[in-house]
Amino acid sequence: AQSVTQLGSHVSVSEGALVLLRCNYSSSVPPYLFWYVQYPNQGLQLLLKYTTGATLVKGINGFEAEFKKSETSFHLTKPSAHMSDAAEYFCAVSEQGNEKLTFGTGTRLTIIP
Amino acid sequence: DAGVTQSPTHLIKTRGQQVTLRCSPKSGHDTVSWYQQALGQGPQFIFQYYEEEERQRGNFPDRFSGHQFPNYSSELNVNALLLGDSALYLCASMGQPGSYGYTFGSGTRLTVV
Repeated sequence: AQSVTQLGSHVSVSEGALVLLRCNYSSSVPPYLFWYVQYPNQGLQLLLKYTTGATLVKGINGFEAEFKKSETSFHLTKPSAHMSDAAEYFCAVSEQGNEKLTFGTGTRLTIIP
Repeated sequence: DAGVTQSPTHLIKTRGQQVTLRCSPKSGHDTVSWYQQALGQGPQFIFQYYEEEERQRGNFPDRFSGHQFPNYSSELNVNALLLGDSALYLCASMGQPGSYGYTFGSGTRLTVV
């Protein structure tokens, strides 16, 4: 069975500082990995995904994530935080050939002015 | 181009009642999945529909059932509501199989009292 662990349910960073949200996964087969963002009272928006190929994935709004198989990690980063980045972030995993997403419990990102 | 549309946006039901939630997928998408997101948790997969058939199902009781219509829209039905069914119910649609290009709706907030 696949699972996702997001370390830190709440993360606060200053505006302009580096954003680092941690995600570790467990999967018995090569995983597909995703980061989604959820703003209050809204659905999920895809930030980026890794399926195959380059392990450093660039997404929308300046976010990127690196798939590290040896560490079973897929951490999300952004060099400089903006106030508009304040939201809930979810890491998700899927197995190749299975389109079901398994989500982590989320990390709430707060940006300090 | 409209994305995924869900109705209603909010709903209050009494324990023991039945509820039907509706989803219209993004134009060009033919696969619909439903997720339950309890407060403070990540979304959990309920089931997926493709070509009017339930293709796979998560760990939810038979009280949760669904349907997909020829126009690809979908319904989620929950019978004998429990307080624990209170959650945000998200619909996600996908087009090309294997693309993992999910589009999520804004959800239906169900409160069971």
